[in-house]
Amino acid sequence: AQSVTQPDIHITVSEGASLELRCNYSYGATPYLFWYVQSPGQGLQLLLKYFSGDTLVQGIKGFEAEFKRSQSSFNLRKPSVHWSDAAEYFCAVAPSGAGSYQLTFGKGTKLSVIP
Amino acid sequence: DAGITQSPRYKITETGRQVTLMCHQTWSHSYMFWYRQDLGHGLRLIYYSAAADITDKGEVPDGYVVSRSKTENFPLTLESATRSQTSVYFCASSEGGSNSPLHFGNGTRLTVT
Repeated sequence: AQSVTQPDIHITVSEGASLELRCNYSYGATPYLFWYVQSPGQGLQLLLKYFSGDTLVQGIKGFEAEFKRSQSSFNLRKPSVHWSDAAEYFCAVAPSGAGSYQLTFGKGTKLSVIP
Repeated sequence: DAGITQSPRYKITETGRQVTLMCHQTWSHSYMFWYRQDLGHGLRLIYYSAAADITDKGEVPDGYVVSRSKTENFPLTLESATRSQTSVYFCASSEGGSNSPLHFGNGTRLTVT
C-alpha cells in the first residue's frame, strides 16, 4: 500500500518570501500525485496534480510542484507567498490506474504567513 | 450552483444518540466519499460509494452506516454516537478513476458530549 509523509507539521514564512513544502511518498511504481489546500473552516481544494510527462507541474494560485522519482518526492513551491496563502496543505498519492477511493493523504502542513 | 453541500455545518449531540450527516452533489459524479479529519490523523476514509446502491468500507468504518439510494445523495449515519466520533466530517465526490481529483464539501463539525 502507498503512503505519504509530510515532514513539516507547521511552517511560518514572511509575506513575499519563497515557500517549499515537502512531500515524500512510498509506492512501487509511479503514482498519481496531488496537492490540496484547506483554508480555515473549508473543505479541501485541488491545487495541482501530476500523472505523467513533464515533472514540473503548474497549479492554481501561482503554485508549482516538481516530481522527483529518484527521491520519491513531490514538493510544492511558490516563489512569493501572499498572506492569503495561510492554510493547511495536503499531499496525496493514488496508485495509477486504480480508483479514487485509494487516495492516501499526508497528515498536512500548516502554513502561517507573517505580514 | 453546481457543487457539493453538506448539512448541518455544526452539530452537537449526546452519547448514544443517532445522528445523520447529509451530503448532496450536483455534478452527477459516480463516486462519493466520507472522510473524518482529526488532529494528528489527517484525513481518514470512512466509507465510499462507487454508484447508487454500491457502498464499501474505508479505513475507519466502525460505528458508521451509509446509504446511497440516489446518485446525488450520500448520507452518513452514526447509529449510537460516541465521544470518539467527535470530529470534522467531509464529504467528497469524484468521477472515479485514481486520476480524478476529489471535490470536497465544507465539512460538518460534530461534537458528541
